[in-house]
Amino acid sequence: AQSVSQHNHHVILSEAASLELGCNYSYGGTVNLFWYVQYPGQHLQLLLKYFSGDPLVKGIKGFEAEFIKSKFSFNLRKPSVQWSDTAEYFCAVTSSGNTGKLIFGQGTTLQVKP
Amino acid sequence: ETGVTQTPRHLVMGMTNKKSLKCEQHLGHNAMYWYKQSAKKPLELMFVYSLEERVENNSVPSRFSPECPNSSHLFLHLHTLQPEDSALYLCASSPSPGRGAFFGQGTRLTVV
Repeated sequence: AQSVSQHNHHVILSEAASLELGCNYSYGGTVNLFWYVQYPGQHLQLLLKYFSGDPLVKGIKGFEAEFIKSKFSFNLRKPSVQWSDTAEYFCAVTSSGNTGKLIFGQGTTLQVKP
Repeated sequence: ETGVTQTPRHLVMGMTNKKSLKCEQHLGHNAMYWYKQSAKKPLELMFVYSLEERVENNSVPSRFSPECPNSSHLFLHLHTLQPEDSALYLCASSPSPGRGAFFGQGTRLTVV
């Protein structure tokens, strides 16, 4: 069965620090990969996605992620975080066929101190 | 605003009540989903509808009953719930399988 693992459950950073959130998935076939963000009191929003092509994908708000197929990883990065990046971040995977259901990781809570 | 609207935003219900959650999307998407988000747990997929047909039911107790009358609307009927069912229930829609999903703001359900 597909599964997604996010290594960091709670991350605390100061503004301007660099961010990297780990995500590993288990699935042997072709997958599509996503990072979602949930700001306090708001709905889940798509940050970025990978379907195929360049394994380094850029998303909104300066976020990027790199797909490393050999490591089954899709880590999220941002060179310099801001206080407004405080939120919960979810990695998700889906296969391209069938129902396309999203399998989510446990989420990582990011707290950025001003 | 994601284009996926859920009502109500908050719901408190007793264990003997019957209530329904509503989800609406006018994005022209073919697939709709119900997810449950509990504290400290990953989002759990409950039901998947594709072209108004239920294609997946993830071992959800029968006290949760979904309904998809057309491609724009999805309901989750609730009856005789338990306190542990208290959670945020999220609806999502997708243009096609595997292309990611757009989420509503959720219904915060409290069972007392």
